[in-house]
Amino acid sequence: DAGITQSPRHKVTETGTPVTLRCHQTENHRYMYWYRQDPGHGLRLIHYSYGVKDTDKGEVSDGYSVSRSKTEDFLLTLESATSSQTSVYFCAISVSDGPFNSPLHFGNGTRLTVT
Amino acid sequence: SQQGEEDPQALSIQEGENATMNCSYKTSINNLQWYRQNSGRGLVHLILIRSNEREKHSGRLRVTLDTSKKSSSLLITASRAADTASYFCASFYNNNDMRFGAGTRLTVKP
Repeated sequence: DAGITQSPRHKVTETGTPVTLRCHQTENHRYMYWYRQDPGHGLRLIHYSYGVKDTDKGEVSDGYSVSRSKTEDFLLTLESATSSQTSVYFCAISVSDGPFNSPLHFGNGTRLTVT
Repeated sequence: SQQGEEDPQALSIQEGENATMNCSYKTSINNLQWYRQNSGRGLVHLILIRSNEREKHSGRLRVTLDTSKKSSSLLITASRAADTASYFCASFYNNNDMRFGAGTRLTVKP
């Protein structure tokens, strides 16, 4: 798993509540990503980071924010969870110095259910 | 919109047979990658093929890329029950994005 830990692994929350998912890497990789996976859609990029305090939006960023105050941690926050955000969330890192020009290594995911 | 559409959506074969999965993409790419996902786990990288390459091998895996047709194929030879998983292609769209397809669910029966 290239030293990637996602927490929590499972979470059930109510509509309208804030939720923060954490991705922690034990190595010093620059690029980190958050994806969501839904049936029939594959993986879609939410946000990514290219360094401490450097982040950018992906394909489906609405309703999500991220923060990266330390190299090893990349947080994904749902400010006010909605049922459409029920999904499996994956964190990934690039193990080489480039963004998508190199393989991604993924964590094992967080299954989020918004009721 | 989706970059990288896999075909077929599901494939069921017997152990020992070959499995072929196809991927099409919509725009010019820098590279195309194939990933595997076992149930309940994250994706695992299999092969990266660059736009100037036509074929790559890794063990029992063979990937081809046809940029004129904007398509790629993944061949798994002499399949095993342990190859049962979902397989995804991902096209490097630009410096800031990589788009995944919806995947092919492969079942290898012992």
